[in-house]
Amino acid sequence: AQRVTQPEKLLSVFKGAPVELKCNYSYSGSPELFWYVQYSRQRLQLLLRHISRESIKGFTADLNKGETSFHLKKPFAQEEDSAMYYCALKNTGGFKTIFGAGTRLFVKA
Amino acid sequence: GAGVSQTPSNKVTEKGKYVELRCDPISGHTALYWYRQSLGQGPEFLIYFQGTGAADDSGLPNDRFFAVRPEGSVSTLKIQRTERGDSAVYLCASSLGPGTGENTQYFGPGTRLTVL
Repeated sequence: AQRVTQPEKLLSVFKGAPVELKCNYSYSGSPELFWYVQYSRQRLQLLLRHISRESIKGFTADLNKGETSFHLKKPFAQEEDSAMYYCALKNTGGFKTIFGAGTRLFVKA
Repeated sequence: GAGVSQTPSNKVTEKGKYVELRCDPISGHTALYWYRQSLGQGPEFLIYFQGTGAADDSGLPNDRFFAVRPEGSVSTLKIQRTERGDSAVYLCASSLGPGTGENTQYFGPGTRLTVL
């Protein structure tokens, strides 16, 4: 079955601390992995995708096919990072996207 | 430019009624998606349009749900005989179509449907 699992519903860290939002997936095929973010009172938006191998707002995510994971990391969390984060996957070349349940990140001053 | 828009922003209806939810995608985006997001969950895929045709409707939960996109732009999600379990935020997204090398989905603000 195709599934995205985000084990933490809520993650609370202090400003300046490292943060890691976990994402595991099960998929038979060649998936593309994404992280989406939703800030308070804003729309859901793409944060980054694994094929770009980019760092956005200091966040990075590495696809680990052996562990079927795509954890999102940032070395020094900022208050403005507080938001809802969703991990998602779709088949390479396809369009149906499967989302995890999301993790709410709260960065405390 | 204008992003994806959805109307209404909120819809309250009674069990058994029919509702229509509208999505205006970004101009020039040929791909359009509908998702349903229940409380505490991530978006759940419902249907994907490429142009006027539904290329993948595997996420529609049952035959009470139907979506159209007659001119390849605006789309309407239609729900018949609404049930309380249909209460959710319905999200629409659009993207440039296949073959463009760019498939980033841009989301609308959602329509919050409440079935009493």
